[in-house]
Amino acid sequence: DAMVIQNPRYQVTQFGKPVTLSCSQTLNHNVMYWYQQKSSQAPKLLFHYYDKDFNNEADTPDNFQSRRPNTSFCFLDIRSPGLGDAAMYLCATSRAEGAYEQYFGPGTRLTVT
Amino acid sequence: QKEVEQDPGPLSVPEGAIVSLNCTYSNSAFQYFMWYRQYSRKGPELLMYTYSSGNKEDGRFTAQVDKSSKYISLFIRDSQPSDSATYLCAMSDYNKLIFGAGTRLAVHP
Repeated sequence: DAMVIQNPRYQVTQFGKPVTLSCSQTLNHNVMYWYQQKSSQAPKLLFHYYDKDFNNEADTPDNFQSRRPNTSFCFLDIRSPGLGDAAMYLCATSRAEGAYEQYFGPGTRLTVT
Repeated sequence: QKEVEQDPGPLSVPEGAIVSLNCTYSNSAFQYFMWYRQYSRKGPELLMYTYSSGNKEDGRFTAQVDKSSKYISLFIRDSQPSDSATYLCAMSDYNKLIFGAGTRLAVHP
């Protein structure tokens, strides 16, 4: 089945220690998104790629970076995680920018100790 | 004021009940209105979408949009324990999706 895969499902990192989260997709979609979802809060868009074009949300902290080496893979790098960065990180894809239908992965639960 | 407001619940109903979930919003530019369902430890999945105002029905689910009131609803008829999940409304102005915080629903047998 075509899908969005996120690894790892659970990640524990230390305060200030860089961490990378991975997302891959078999849907061949042009757009890939990264969302941050804290407990009982709405998913918050961090940034997205349309093909190789990177689009950062204005309020995304500089601590968060992303890479998309090819159509299938996208990475979220947190350079110096703080306690406030503990959250679920969701990767999603869509065929086109602004598309109402996005396909989500299961998420990576990040804990910062 | 948040762009999208959604009552977080939790909402607990008996099996077979009619469930009403609602969101309000402030941005009149929104054109697409979606409901995503999120099961525990899973990512959200699209349940229904509506373009502009009106109603849309899909089996036991009905989505309503009232743009004049900036109010959207999702009705679930004959609710089942398998409907237990968090329901997130989402809206689009063609640029990106803005999500509500989600309403947690529990349907008990």
